[in-house]
Amino acid sequence: KNQVEQSPQSLIILEGKNCTLQCNYTVSPFSNLRWYKQDTGRGPVSLTIMTFSENTKSNGRYTATLDADTKQSSLHITASQLSDSASYICVVIPVTATGGFKTIFGAGTRLFVKA
Amino acid sequence: ETGVTQTPRHLVMGMTNKKSLKCEQHLGHNAMYWYKQSAKKPLELMFVYNFKEQTENNSVPSRFSPECPNSSHLFLHLHTLQPEDSALYLCASSLRTSETYEQYFGPGTRLTVT
Repeated sequence: KNQVEQSPQSLIILEGKNCTLQCNYTVSPFSNLRWYKQDTGRGPVSLTIMTFSENTKSNGRYTATLDADTKQSSLHITASQLSDSASYICVVIPVTATGGFKTIFGAGTRLFVKA
Repeated sequence: ETGVTQTPRHLVMGMTNKKSLKCEQHLGHNAMYWYKQSAKKPLELMFVYNFKEQTENNSVPSRFSPECPNSSHLFLHLHTLQPEDSALYLCASSLRTSETYEQYFGPGTRLTVT
């Protein structure tokens, strides 16, 4: 079982509507949690980075929230546009005992925005 | 674009071939990474380099051999691959390997092993 689970796997919404993507994680302790957008055939692009002590972070129409008690994060997209069609990936960066760098990726939510 | 370029963008190779993937970053970063993205699976971190020194190797088979001649260039040498190695290989860079620094990804190389 992956330590970072995302839901739903895929989502279809109409242009102009809002949507919320979920990320549940079991990684502990962790340094920060990130959301990325990945267009088809492209590399991921960072949307938000939140440290374990932050509750919310916005980037334009994207707002990420973090609840460290329930180990849940969400990404809310407001007034969706056709260009929002992409995969959205939740990533948790754990604190490692050895000081090494690790990343734990979720499988992503595939969002389709239709006109 | 993100400032990280990868070549080639697409590669088809047989199981007995030897090929190399190239990554170059123009951001002045000191850390570079190789990731593997298989269909419908999460990204997997393969290798991490910090100031040209390899700091992470996540149990990657020896048929994948990384090389980092300087902080701006990263290679992934491939030999005797298996069909299950077909995937999108992504390169990324960041200022340091500390978990607080943002990573910038290249567009990836789509590899098909026949």
